[in-house]
Amino acid sequence: GNSVTQMEGPVTLSEEAFLTINCTYTATGYPSLFWYVQYPGEGLQLLLKATKADDKGSNKGFEATYRKETTSFHLEKGSVQVSDSAVYFCALYPGNTGKLIFGQGTTLQVKP
Amino acid sequence: DAGVIQSPRHEVTEMGQEVTLRCKPISGHDYLFWYRQTMMRGLELLIYFNNNVPIDDSGMPEDRFSAKMPNASFSTLKIQPSEPRDSAVYFCASSPGQGLTDTQYFGPGTRLTVL
Repeated sequence: GNSVTQMEGPVTLSEEAFLTINCTYTATGYPSLFWYVQYPGEGLQLLLKATKADDKGSNKGFEATYRKETTSFHLEKGSVQVSDSAVYFCALYPGNTGKLIFGQGTTLQVKP
Repeated sequence: DAGVIQSPRHEVTEMGQEVTLRCKPISGHDYLFWYRQTMMRGLELLIYFNNNVPIDDSGMPEDRFSAKMPNASFSTLKIQPSEPRDSAVYFCASSPGQGLTDTQYFGPGTRLTVL
């Protein structure tokens, strides 16, 4: 079946530190992959996506590369800010249904 | 575009009462999703619709929960009777549809507290 596994949080970093949040997936076929972010008190919003192997999604300084060989889509940012504190969700879209499969979410706390 | 609109934003009710949550998807989107988020269980898909037709309701917890989509611009999620364990944030999301784009757009959520 289809599933997404994220590293457990919370992840606590100091401002300007390097961020990696690991995400691996299991899927049949060739899914699209996503990172969503949820700021406190808000709904989820799309951060970036990649639709095929070796694609790199990027937005607001965040990047993730679709790695088919390792079934991974790790989220990275070179220098985090306090405003990046949020919950980050990795998700996949199998392409044969209408729905996304979400990971459990990883909380990021960035301290000044 | 106004985005996905949900109402109310907050609802406090007593056990046994009926609760109705409302959602207006983005105009032109073919898919509508209802999610529930709690600390214990994370984000759960309850049900989703395609062109106003329910496609998968396997995530609906029990018969106390029901969802309808009478037209392309409105959906409701009803809980009757409500119980304290239903306390959660309920999100509605919409997407344009398969083959176009698979991105889902979330509303701000309804925070439900059942006393």
